[in-house]
Amino acid sequence: QTVVTQEPSLTVSPGGTVTLTCASTTGAVTSGYYANWFQQKPGQAPRALIYSTSNKHSWTPARFSGSLLGGKAALTLSGVQPEDEAEYYCLLYCGAALDWVFGGGTKLTVL
Amino acid sequence: QVQLQESGPGLVKPSQTLSLTCTVSGGSISNGDYYWSWVRQPAGKGLEWIGRIYPSGSTNYNPSLKSRVTMSVDTSNNQFSLNLSSVTAADTAVYYCASNAGSWGQGTLVTVSS
Repeated sequence: QTVVTQEPSLTVSPGGTVTLTCASTTGAVTSGYYANWFQQKPGQAPRALIYSTSNKHSWTPARFSGSLLGGKAALTLSGVQPEDEAEYYCLLYCGAALDWVFGGGTKLTVL
Repeated sequence: QVQLQESGPGLVKPSQTLSLTCTVSGGSISNGDYYWSWVRQPAGKGLEWIGRIYPSGSTNYNPSLKSRVTMSVDTSNNQFSLNLSSVTAADTAVYYCASNAGSWGQGTLVTVSS
């Protein structure tokens, strides 16, 4: 069964840059996985940031970007702000049998 | 941007059916560019994709829940629904509806308990 894995936690300093990754246990993540990224703060609903690997929603801050990196989907935050502290989830399309699968989430601490 | 709002009972007894509705505003549920999804999140845990439905009524479900899940769309009321049968305490979670355009509802807590 396909599992989607993310770093459990990462720490970044304000103003810094951090990259979160999203991997599939079945192999390299490609554009065909249509990676999505979501931000969730405590007590709030998830907020969509990125779709189809690298496309931003109209409300997505410019400092967020999506890409493919070393066989994984990646979310890069450049010029991190304190309000970026949150849980981040990726979502991959894992084919007709499994459809969409969420990663376990990365807790990003800004310190 | 379309807005979504979940509604339904907050408490369901074990073995019964959980039923939720998502009302779409600011856009038509019949828009062919969209599909509509349900996601859930147990307290303190991650997100789980439940399934999706297209305006045509075509559905795709999480294989682990497929035997218990039914989704439907009501174009006349701009709503779509989730039914999850034979619930247990493990189905206790916040349930979200979402669109592939990036909109999410605020979520509704459903507790399974006698």
